[in-house]
This record gives sequence, C-alpha cells and structure tokens, in this order.
Amino acid sequence: DMKVTQMPRYLIKRMGENVLLECGQDMSHETMYWYRQDPGLGLQLIYISYDVDSNSEGDIPKGYRVSRKKREHFSLILDSAKTNQTSVYFCAIGQGYTEVFFGKGTRLTVV
Amino acid sequence: GDSVTQKQGQVTLSEDDFLFINCTYSTTTYPTLFWYVQYPGQGPQLLLKVTTANNKGISRGFEATYDKGTTSFHLQKASVQESDSAVYFCALVDSTGNYKYVFGAGTRLKVIA
Repeated sequence: DMKVTQMPRYLIKRMGENVLLECGQDMSHETMYWYRQDPGLGLQLIYISYDVDSNSEGDIPKGYRVSRKKREHFSLILDSAKTNQTSVYFCAIGQGYTEVFFGKGTRLTVV
Repeated sequence: GDSVTQKQGQVTLSEDDFLFINCTYSTTTYPTLFWYVQYPGQGPQLLLKVTTANNKGISRGFEATYDKGTTSFHLQKASVQESDSAVYFCALVDSTGNYKYVFGAGTRLKVIA
C-alpha cells in the first residue's frame, strides 16, 4: 500500500510565525503535490514538484514556498503566516495520469 | 485554464435512494476524469477513473460516464447506504503532461438511515 505521511497533523501558529509542513512517501514517486482544502473551494493546488529541485507553481502559490531535496520528502513553508492561511493542507503523490494519492492532511490554524 | 464545476454543495438522501451528483468540466485537451471520495479525518481517495478510451467507470456500485458532448461526468448510484456519507470530488488531469490535477469544490452527501 502506498503511504503518504504528513507531519504534524495539527498545528496552531501565531500570525507572523514561520510554518513548516512536511510530507514523506515510501514509493519514490516522481511527482508530489501540496493542496489546501477550504469549505466551498475544494482542493486548490499550491505547488507541484516533478522531482528533486524541480518545482512548479500551482494555482495559489502566493505566500508559500516549497523544498524538495530528496525524492521522498516535500516540504511546504509559510514565511510569516497569515490568518487567511488557516486551512487543511494535503500532500499527495502521483505517477503520471493514474491517480494522485493523498496523505491524511495537516490542519493549520493561524491566530 | 482547466476547471471543474460541482454546483451541488450538499445532497441529503435516505437509504436506498438514487444518487446523482453533477459535474461539468472545461479543458482544451483530452482529460482523464476522476471521482474521489473523502471520509472525515482522511484525505481524498480514488473512487473511479475514466479515460477517453473507456468512457465509463464503475466502482463499489458507483458509476460515471464521460460525455464529451456535454463535457459532463456525473456520478450515480442506484441505491445509497448510510456508509456512503462523505464528500465527493470530481477531478481531471489534462493531457499536456503537466500532471496538474484540478478538483471541483466537492459535494457533501448525507445519507439518513
């Protein structure tokens, strides 16, 4: 079974603090994703990574950056978090057109 | 860019009712289409997938047909159960090779026993 591990599962941060969300996979899939989920908006793509150091903006990259130094790990960084970045963040892995496989998500609250 | 539209935010049914969830899409390419299901506290998981080659997907009693004419991909099930209560997302990935999966807003299904 494919496994996508997200850490932490829950996080509360103050406005202006830096946030690091981490994602790991055990399948060596090339493509990894960060999405955020908000009520009524579905899943919105923040960043996509095609391999180590090969990252591309998604639809809502503003306020976020990513890092992928090993194929198995993909990090999402929020420099100076804002209250409108309160959301549930999902990491996913994919292999071409077959499907994307999601982790369990990180619920981030920025106060 | 590509887009997926689900107009129904919530659907409430009784057990054994027929389910129909609307999904339309927009893309200039030949997409692969998906339905994902999300249970509380979990990430979305694949329910079914359809490509231009096979037109129809069936899984666990759910089915969806790819209609290029109306650019629709509605989800149906003949008889829902309480355990089907979840959020359902329609999604597509286009054929350009960018592998960007686009999701609809989701439809929350509540089935009352």
